[in-house]
Amino acid sequence: TQLLEQSPQFLSIQEGENLTVYCNSSSVFSSLQWYRQEPGEGPVLLVTVVTGGEVKKLKRLTFQFGDARKDSSLHITAAQPGDTGLYLCAGAADSGGSNYKLTFGKGTLLTVNP
Amino acid sequence: ETGVTQTPRHLVMGMTNKKSLKCEQHLGHNAMYWYKQSAKKPLELMFVYNFKEQTENNSVPSRFSPECPNSSHLFLHLHTLQPEDSALYLCASSQAGAGTMESLWYGYTFGSGTRLTVV
Repeated sequence: TQLLEQSPQFLSIQEGENLTVYCNSSSVFSSLQWYRQEPGEGPVLLVTVVTGGEVKKLKRLTFQFGDARKDSSLHITAAQPGDTGLYLCAGAADSGGSNYKLTFGKGTLLTVNP
Repeated sequence: ETGVTQTPRHLVMGMTNKKSLKCEQHLGHNAMYWYKQSAKKPLELMFVYNFKEQTENNSVPSRFSPECPNSSHLFLHLHTLQPEDSALYLCASSQAGAGTMESLWYGYTFGSGTRLTVV
C-alpha cells in the first residue's frame, strides 16, 4: 500500500503570509499531482510533476518534486482568501503491468483569513 | 455544458431505499471513476471504467452497483446502505485510458460530488 502523508493537517493564516505544505511517502512515485478542493466542490488539478527535483510555478504557487520522487511541497506566497481550500496530493506508482494507480493523501485544510 | 456533472448534489436516504447517482462528462474522456470521500480519510477509489468496461472494483460492498452505459455516462446504484456509507461521492474522468501514464499527465477532472446522508 502506498501511503501519502500530508502535513500539516490544518493551517490557518492571515492574508499576505507565506506558507508551505508537504506531501511525503516511503514509496517512489512516477508522478505526483496537487489538487485544490473548495467547499462543496470536487478537487481541481493544479499541477503534475514527473521529474525528480522538478520545480513548477503557477502564479503565487510553487511546487517541488523531491529528488528521490518520494516527496513534494507546495509553497504559496502572499496567501489570499481565495486560496482557502483543501489541498490534496496524489501520487501514481506502477502497480505492475503498467497499471498506474492514483493514491491520494488526506489533504491539508488551508484557511486564509482576511 | 462542459466538465463533469453530478446529480443530485445532495441526497438523504433511508437504509431500505434504492437510489441512483448520476455522472455525465462532456469532455470526450475515455475513463471514468467513482471515488468516496469521507472525513479524515483519503479519497477512496471505488470503481474504474475504461472505454465503458469496468476494469476495477476496489473491494466495494455489493450494495453499491455501478453502471456505465456509454463513455459519457456513469451511474452508481445504491440499495440497503448503512449510515457509515454517508460521504461525498465523487465522479472523475480522464482523457487517456485508465491506468496509463498519459491519464496521469493530464490529471483527472472531478465533478462537484453528491453529498450522501444515510439515515
